[in-house]
Amino acid sequence: EPEVTQTPSHQVTQMGQEVILRCVPISNHLYFYWYRQILGQKVEFLVSFYNNEISEKSEIFDDQFSVERPDGSNFTLKIRSTKLEDSAMYFCASSGDLSSYYGYTFGSGTRLTVV
Amino acid sequence: LAKTTQPISMDSYEGQEVNITCSHNNIATNDYITWYQQFPSQGPRFIIQGYKTKVTNEVASLFIPADRKSSTLSLPRVSLSDTAVYYCLVSNDYKLSFGAGTTVTVRA
Repeated sequence: EPEVTQTPSHQVTQMGQEVILRCVPISNHLYFYWYRQILGQKVEFLVSFYNNEISEKSEIFDDQFSVERPDGSNFTLKIRSTKLEDSAMYFCASSGDLSSYYGYTFGSGTRLTVV
Repeated sequence: LAKTTQPISMDSYEGQEVNITCSHNNIATNDYITWYQQFPSQGPRFIIQGYKTKVTNEVASLFIPADRKSSTLSLPRVSLSDTAVYYCLVSNDYKLSFGAGTTVTVRA
């Protein structure tokens, strides 16, 4: 079964540092997403990406966040200057089209701990 | 996005059938009903999706009455490994909106 791969599985960083979370979506998928889940809270939408540009972003996704698809396989989330409240699980997801009919495939996540 | 209401938690035993009902009174005509499963420290996993009547796959069944104001996820013969959080989502949007979900605990 095709998988969405995320690296690293756990990242510890100091407040104010930049982090890049990496994702390899399923190869024939066209739509890519980042979600996050703060410990004990709901899974929250951050951003969607299609055709090399952001198609939608939430209010969480402020100027400190950016996404990029630097090549044909990777999809990255960058946090420029991390804050304590950025500590969360970050999930990458991909889908084959915009219809929700087939569901989305999520990766196993990167646990980001900001100290 | 239609708001959904589902029980906070459910307990079951191995081998039993688990039915989780989700209410979505203001579901729109073009909304689909989708269920995801999430294990601790893992990403959500798509289980099943439907629009109306009944849908069945290798892991679950989804029952949707004619008025579509609720839906029931049925997990047949659960095992300990089915202990997880189950989310009911109602949307026609690619942007998924997760609620708190139902924590299902399966005991031996």
